[in-house]
Amino acid sequence: NAGVTQTPKFQVLKTGQSMTLQCAQDMNHEYMSWYRQDPGMGLRLIHYSVGAGITDQGEVPNGYNVSRSTTEDFPLRLLSAAPSQTSVYFCASSYAPGGRTYEQYFGPGTRLTVT
Amino acid sequence: GQQLNQSPQSMFIQEGEDVSMNCTSSSIFNTWLWYKQDPGEGPVLLIALYKAGELTSNGRLTAQFGITRKDSFLNISASIPSDVGIYFCAGSARQLTFGSGTQLTVLP
Repeated sequence: NAGVTQTPKFQVLKTGQSMTLQCAQDMNHEYMSWYRQDPGMGLRLIHYSVGAGITDQGEVPNGYNVSRSTTEDFPLRLLSAAPSQTSVYFCASSYAPGGRTYEQYFGPGTRLTVT
Repeated sequence: GQQLNQSPQSMFIQEGEDVSMNCTSSSIFNTWLWYKQDPGEGPVLLIALYKAGELTSNGRLTAQFGITRKDSFLNISASIPSDVGIYFCAGSARQLTFGSGTQLTVLP
């Protein structure tokens, strides 16, 4: 099993550009999520999904879109990149029996810089 | 939203010493998780706790789920150089809420 994979590992964008961060998992987990990590602030939830076709907003959703067309994939789209979106982005997945998430497993991260 | 207070923010210890860190919350959680993050990597799950009062070990690591369900601690015994990294607590109700992390440095 590859676990949770993310691409790209590094990305530099100019303000206003759009892009998609890819995330895939091969553990058949119902729950997938996106976090951003900024210095001294831990990880903050952007969006999450409890299954294919179902997504919801987390703590910091503005400027990001997600969709979940398959169990395996959960891409994160930046609509119009801003310098405030410079961060490290992590995708995670877990089993979610009854809609409750338990142990989440993280990908290696995407380091995004917006100039 | 839910807030987690993790302390200390950073620790500098000698190799062989024991380490203790903790998290407190204003809200009740159903699950407490402890993660370790190495530089340039994603967080890796160390210990998961599911019941109030539960004490769980994973090698030199021991963690407890507080009886009030609002706190948890992590102990590392006999620290070694590879223990260096950032340790995060996370509490789960429906979503995970993370603490801000404890940066651990182990001096030889």
